[in-house]
Amino acid sequence: ILNVEQSPQSLHVQEGDSTNFTCSFPSSNFYALHWYRWETAKSPEALFVMTLNGDEKKKGRISATLNTKEGYSYLYIKGSQPEDSATYLCASDNYGQNFVFGPGTRLSVLP
Amino acid sequence: EAQVTQNPRYLITVTGKKLTVTCSQNMNHEYMSWYRQDPGLGLRQIYYSMNVEVTDKGDVPEGYKVSRKEKRNFPLILESPSPNQTSLYFCASSMSGREQPQHFGDGTRLSIL
Repeated sequence: ILNVEQSPQSLHVQEGDSTNFTCSFPSSNFYALHWYRWETAKSPEALFVMTLNGDEKKKGRISATLNTKEGYSYLYIKGSQPEDSATYLCASDNYGQNFVFGPGTRLSVLP
Repeated sequence: EAQVTQNPRYLITVTGKKLTVTCSQNMNHEYMSWYRQDPGLGLRQIYYSMNVEVTDKGDVPEGYKVSRKEKRNFPLILESPSPNQTSLYFCASSMSGREQPQHFGDGTRLSIL
C-alpha cells in the first residue's frame, strides 16, 4: 500500500495570512495527484488534478505545484479567509496501485 | 443537478444483519468508488469500478461486496456487518477514474452494534 503523507497535520492562521502545506507521495509509477477540500459536515470537493512534473494550477486564491521526480506537491492559499477553513486532502494515483489519500491538513483561519 | 446520491445517510444496525448502501450518479461517469473514513486515518478505498461489470479491490475490501450492473449504480453490500465496520462511508464517481476529479456523495454514517 502506498504511503501518502501530509504536513502539517493542522494549522491555525490569521485572516489575511498566506499559507502552504505539503503532500508527499511515492514518485515511482506516478500517474496523477489530486487535491480536495473537505469542509466539516460536507463531502470532499475537488480542487486540482495534476499529472505533469512542474505542473502548476490555480483556482482563485488557491494554487498548487507538483514535483513528480521527488514526490511532493505544495498547496498555497493566498490571503486566507475564514471560509477557507477546511481539511485539505491530497491523493496519489500510481500505476499498479489503488488510489490513496493522505491523512489531510486541517486549516483554521481565525477572523 | 449533477450529483452522487447515497442512501441511507445514517444507519444504526446490529452485528450480522445484512445491509446495502446504495450509490447512484447522474453524470454518466464510468468510474465509481467506495471509501471509508475513520478517525485519524485518511479516506481508504474499499472497492472501485472502472466500468459496468468491472470491479476491483481497494486497500480495505474485507467484509464488503459490490456490484456494477448498471453504469449509474454502485451499491456497497455488508453481508455480515461487524462493529469494526462502524465508519463514515463515501461513494465517489469520475468520468474516467485517473486524470479526472472525483465527485463525492454526502456520506453514510454506519453504526454496527
